Amino acid sequence: KQEVTQIPAALSVPEGENLVLNCSFTDSAIYNLQWFRQDPGKGLTSLLLIQSSQREQTSGRLNASLDKSSGRSTLYIAASQPGDSATYLCAVVNSGTYKYIFGTGTRLKVL
Amino acid sequence: DAGVIQSPRHEVTEMGQEVTLRCKPISGHNSLFWYRQTMMRGLELLIYFNNNVPIDDSGMPEDRFSAKMPNASFSTLKIQPSEPRDSAVYFCASSLASWDDNTEAFFGQGTRLTVV
Repeated sequence: KQEVTQIPAALSVPEGENLVLNCSFTDSAIYNLQWFRQDPGKGLTSLLLIQSSQREQTSGRLNASLDKSSGRSTLYIAASQPGDSATYLCAVVNSGTYKYIFGTGTRLKVL
Repeated sequence: DAGVIQSPRHEVTEMGQEVTLRCKPISGHNSLFWYRQTMMRGLELLIYFNNNVPIDDSGMPEDRFSAKMPNASFSTLKIQPSEPRDSAVYFCASSLASWDDNTEAFFGQGTRLTVV
């Protein structure tokens, strides 16, 4: 059974700092991995999608990497801003299904 | 496209009442998902439809929960009778599932359900 874990659960950083959020999964047979952002009381906004054949994706100040063999993904946020404060969730789609299995999220606060 | 549209945004109901949540997926998407989010359990997949057919409903907690997708542009999640422990935010998501790894999910704004 696929299990997705995110570390840390919460993070507070001063503005301008570069930071890394971690996501690990137990079953490497995945179609893709997607990073989402969730603001309080809101829905989920897709940030980056990494296909199983890719190793990283970039969008603006965000960079996500994927290492399938080790079951890990990282989301790198450069030059963090107060507007980046939100909960960040990663989700994997297992091969052979289209179900998204979510991690528990990292709650980020940029001071 | 307006994205995934859910209604209502908020619902407060009394225990024992029937609750119906509604979802309109993105036009052209062939997969639809219902998720429940709570502080304790995070995001849990309840049911997944592909081409209007329920593929996996193993996440539906009890027989009190049922979901339908009568056509490609509409789905409902019904709880009957509702209980206080059903209080959560319910999300609908859709994607264009294809036999490759480029499937991206898009989420609605959610329905916050409170059962008193």
